[in-house]
Amino acid sequence: GAGVSQTPSNKVTEKGKYVELRCDPISGHTALYWYRQSLGQGPEFLIYFQGTGAADDSGLPNDRFFAVRPEGSVSTLKIQRTERGDSAVYLCASSLVGGANGYTFGSGTRLTVV
Amino acid sequence: GNSVTQMEGPVTLSEEAFLTINCTYTATGYPSLFWYVQYPGEGLQLLLKATKADDKGSNKGFEATYRKETTSFHLEKGSVQVSDSAVYFCALPDYGGATNKLIFGTGTLLAVQP
Repeated sequence: GAGVSQTPSNKVTEKGKYVELRCDPISGHTALYWYRQSLGQGPEFLIYFQGTGAADDSGLPNDRFFAVRPEGSVSTLKIQRTERGDSAVYLCASSLVGGANGYTFGSGTRLTVV
Repeated sequence: GNSVTQMEGPVTLSEEAFLTINCTYTATGYPSLFWYVQYPGEGLQLLLKATKADDKGSNKGFEATYRKETTSFHLEKGSVQVSDSAVYFCALPDYGGATNKLIFGTGTLLAVQP
């Protein structure tokens, strides 16, 4: 596609529920990143994929968070047993290679846990 | 790992005023430096970048010069417009591994009044 697409754009869920957030990167981009942006803060790194594999998941806050990219294109960020503190905008970005030359970001998914 | 510090906002200016948003960094080596912009309701967009010392990145009337002596990458614009109202993020890659993930500052909100 022309840009990075993220769905849904908004998600409201109840505490304790499971959610999936989808990212469709720019075609041909092998590197894919997930970030989380809390209100008034800069984006914080969660996980990086190079192709199908998670090359760096050091930013995932705990084992409730998991992400996959089974075919090296679309990625899904999965959050189990959601907590109110998970409320944030989840951003996906992609690039041709690693992020040394900057990324293209999607518009994000605003997750609200009530 | 690498880090970045940018001035806190909000910055409130009148139209046609001169803008400076300060950004300083701590890094191993000489990584590329970036400014991203987030307009209201939109995702992050790459505004400009500089890939080596003394380089000047420019776009949409904004400029930033990569100064290794002062480890700074301040964003400037000679005459701001209302449409420049947004949050601006300074960023650089973190080379702590193979990730090349981007590290972002906390963001500076710019509000331009007519």
